Amino acid sequence: SYVLTQPPSVSVAPGQPASFACGGNNIGRGGVHWYQQKSGQAPVLVVYGNNLRPSGIPERFSGSNSGNTATLTISRVEAGDEADYYCQVWDRSIDHVVFGGGTKLTVL
Amino acid sequence: QVQLVESGGGVVQPGRSLRLSCAASGFTFSNYGLHWVRQAPGRGLEWVALISFDGSNTYYADSVKGRFTISRDNSKTSLYVQMNSLRAEDTAVYYCARELGYYASGSSPQSYFFDYWGQGTLVTVSS
Repeated sequence: SYVLTQPPSVSVAPGQPASFACGGNNIGRGGVHWYQQKSGQAPVLVVYGNNLRPSGIPERFSGSNSGNTATLTISRVEAGDEADYYCQVWDRSIDHVVFGGGTKLTVL
Repeated sequence: QVQLVESGGGVVQPGRSLRLSCAASGFTFSNYGLHWVRQAPGRGLEWVALISFDGSNTYYADSVKGRFTISRDNSKTSLYVQMNSLRAEDTAVYYCARELGYYASGSSPQSYFFDYWGQGTLVTVSS
């Protein structure tokens, strides 16, 4: 089955950029979606279709996808961005959803 | 506004059954595929199952196939999952989520994602 690999943690100071990598075989061929999950809350969609933002998501959030790595970037991190971030794809070969293991963002 | 509200969680013994429900409102329920996603304590998100907009197609994660059954009642705008032969490793918060298709080009979606999630319901499997 298809596997998405995310680093377990990222630490960034406020005002600095944060990047979250999501690795998968030829992930660049498909659409990657990203979710933010704050402690004790349900996930929230922050980027879909590699680089599209739902309404209400700040422009600070952006995405890219090429080759074997997709990346979510927060341009200027705020304390309220502290959360777990998950990438997700659709494995069309077996009609299954696949999540990465998640990356915990700590704002220093 | 779109709302998804899960219910039915609780403590259940290993080997027993439980049925979760997800009541939907604020959108045309019968137009959307729906999913169950779970999260074990301290762990990441795990996809569980999906059902197509009309209930004609269902798919399951290998970890629950043969034990869980996803269903929907479009007249009641409700999603369900019947969970049988429960195991300790099924302990998790269970979320229902609405599916949207991502169309990179053409008329068929390249991928699917979740634009709305419920607040989740906790299932604990323990003796």
